[in-house]
Amino acid sequence: KNEVEQSPQNLTAQEGEFITINCSYSVGISALHWLQQHPGGGIVSLFMLSSGKKKHGRLIATINIQEKHSSLHITASHPRDSAVYICAVLSDSGGSQGNLIFGKGTKLSVKP
Amino acid sequence: DTGVSQDPRHKITKRGQNVTFRCDPISEHNRLYWYRQTLGQGPEFLTYFQNEAQLEKSRLLSDRFSAERPKGSFSTLEIQRTEQGDSAMYLCASSSTIGQGLNTEAFFGQGTRLTVV
Repeated sequence: KNEVEQSPQNLTAQEGEFITINCSYSVGISALHWLQQHPGGGIVSLFMLSSGKKKHGRLIATINIQEKHSSLHITASHPRDSAVYICAVLSDSGGSQGNLIFGKGTKLSVKP
Repeated sequence: DTGVSQDPRHKITKRGQNVTFRCDPISEHNRLYWYRQTLGQGPEFLTYFQNEAQLEKSRLLSDRFSAERPKGSFSTLEIQRTEQGDSAMYLCASSSTIGQGLNTEAFFGQGTRLTVV
């Protein structure tokens, strides 16, 4: 079992739809990152959070430390949101302390 | 400072050759990470540095792989005797620890795409 699991793996939505991507993790963490990766490889950090909720424009990220779960929401989705969204946790336990552990990503395609 | 930069962006090499990649992190960042990503997969951790100290290496990092960060600034990742299975995107990221070891956001370079033929 992977230490960071994302769902769904692939997501197709119509423009304007509300989108949710989920991330569950099994290790102790000090922070969780949501990242966006476009074709061509460039990765952009969207959020880093360790508790509660953060909002930036149409993007909202929440985390529940007790349940070891985070969600990324996109409101009023747009075709330019099409990308791979990756959850990564900053481990604070044992031999992986300080290491970023990545999920496999969720490929989002928003159709006009 | 324009962010994390990696060089080269693309590298094609013949099997058995050695290759070296460079990463220049954001200047005030003390942590530097190397990751490898193959098509359709999330990035896989290879190694990371805090300042010049290499704190952790993945089991994925065979003895053909070596990384350095001699002055705690830029880092190099060398792959010796490349194999076709080494073909991947190699990503570098940097972040900073502040206060009680809390980490700031990680910023990623554009990656170096390696193709071994």
